[in-house]
Amino acid sequence: AQSVAQPEDQVNVAEGNPLTVKCTYSVSGNPYLFWYVQYPNRGLQFLLKYITGDNLVKGSYGFEAEFNKSQTSFHLKKPSALVSDSALYFCAVRDSNTDKLIFGTGTRLQVFP
Amino acid sequence: IAGITQAPTSQILAAGRRMTLRCTQDMRHNAMYWYRQDLGLGLRLIHYSNTAGTTGKGEVPDGYSVSRANTDDFPLTLASAVPSQTSVYFCASSAVASDGTDTQYFGPGTRLTVL
Repeated sequence: AQSVAQPEDQVNVAEGNPLTVKCTYSVSGNPYLFWYVQYPNRGLQFLLKYITGDNLVKGSYGFEAEFNKSQTSFHLKKPSALVSDSALYFCAVRDSNTDKLIFGTGTRLQVFP
Repeated sequence: IAGITQAPTSQILAAGRRMTLRCTQDMRHNAMYWYRQDLGLGLRLIHYSNTAGTTGKGEVPDGYSVSRANTDDFPLTLASAVPSQTSVYFCASSAVASDGTDTQYFGPGTRLTVL
């Protein structure tokens, strides 16, 4: 079955430090991968996606993600975290059978001043 | 431009009652989706519509129905609500990107409590 996993329920990082939010996937064929962010009491907002090409994808708010085919991973990264980055982050992969997104369970990022 | 609006923002509902969650988008997107968000489970697809006049079942369709009479509106109906349908419901629509993939845009959500 096609799936996406976010192994960490929560990630804590100090402001100014680099952050990584992990995501691994399992799909048939070429993966289409997405990251979304959810701020409190809001809907999800698109951050970035990987379709093809450069393994390092740059997105909104200074975030980037690295596609690693051999490790089937698509980790979200940011060089210097901000307190305002504190939110719930979802990784998603496009199901090649249904063309619908499969979402991970989410990782709560907490950035401390 | 409002994007996607959902109504109501929140609702407390007695079990057995009928409820319709409303969703409207003004982006002229062809595809629309309904998800439920539950702690520890992430987002799960309930129903979707690839274009006006068509609908399809997602991962967790039981107890829910949808209709897509026009491009803009995609209501979700709970015919007889049960407590397990207590959740936060998100509507989304997708713009077909030039590379053939879909970026989904989400509404603000409806928090539903079934007692």
